[in-house]
Amino acid sequence: DVKVTQSSRYLVKRTGEKVFLECVQDMDHENMFWYRQDPGLGLRLIYFSYDVKMKEKGDIPEGYSVSREKKERFSLILESASTNQTSMYLCASRGLGLGTEAFFGQGTRLTVV
Amino acid sequence: GQNIDQPTEMTATEGAIVQINCTYQTSGFNGLFWYQQHAGEAPTFLSYNVLDGLEEKGRFSSFLSRSKGYSYLLLKELQMKDSASYLCAVRDSGIKAAGNKLTFGGGTRVLVKP
Repeated sequence: DVKVTQSSRYLVKRTGEKVFLECVQDMDHENMFWYRQDPGLGLRLIYFSYDVKMKEKGDIPEGYSVSREKKERFSLILESASTNQTSMYLCASRGLGLGTEAFFGQGTRLTVV
Repeated sequence: GQNIDQPTEMTATEGAIVQINCTYQTSGFNGLFWYQQHAGEAPTFLSYNVLDGLEEKGRFSSFLSRSKGYSYLLLKELQMKDSASYLCAVRDSGIKAAGNKLTFGGGTRVLVKP
């Protein structure tokens, strides 16, 4: 069974803290994505990676960075957490091929206080 | 850029049919996906269209018209468990980076009533 695993389901952090969200996939997928999901705004792409050490900005990269040192792992970093980064964060992975679907992790609900 | 529009919410009765529309204006197009997301859970894949026409999968069908920038998801014989959000997503065109980007609409929450 395919699996995308996010390190935490719930996380509470203080403003100004450095936050790491980890995502691991076991499907040998080339592509990995970080989205945030907010009511009324849907899923918005933060960053994605199409290969090890390769990354591309999505639609809302400000305040975030990413790391892809190994194929199976894609990390999202909040350099200095702010309250407007309180959200549900979803990681996804997808293989090559036109119609290949993306598989999502269960999400990390991050609250910044 | 990408602009993808879906209705925010729809209500339907158990056993009925509901059609969820999705319109898109995108700089590139390489296929359209529909996902289902139950509250508190991860989105799961429902369907994929890259050519014009209807794709049928049991109670769910998805239609695409590339010239109109339009797709719909049709849910037939609605069941209570179909209450969920339905997300339309467009894959960008191009190779490598751009060609792997998947952009989502805001999602349509469907409420099925007895």
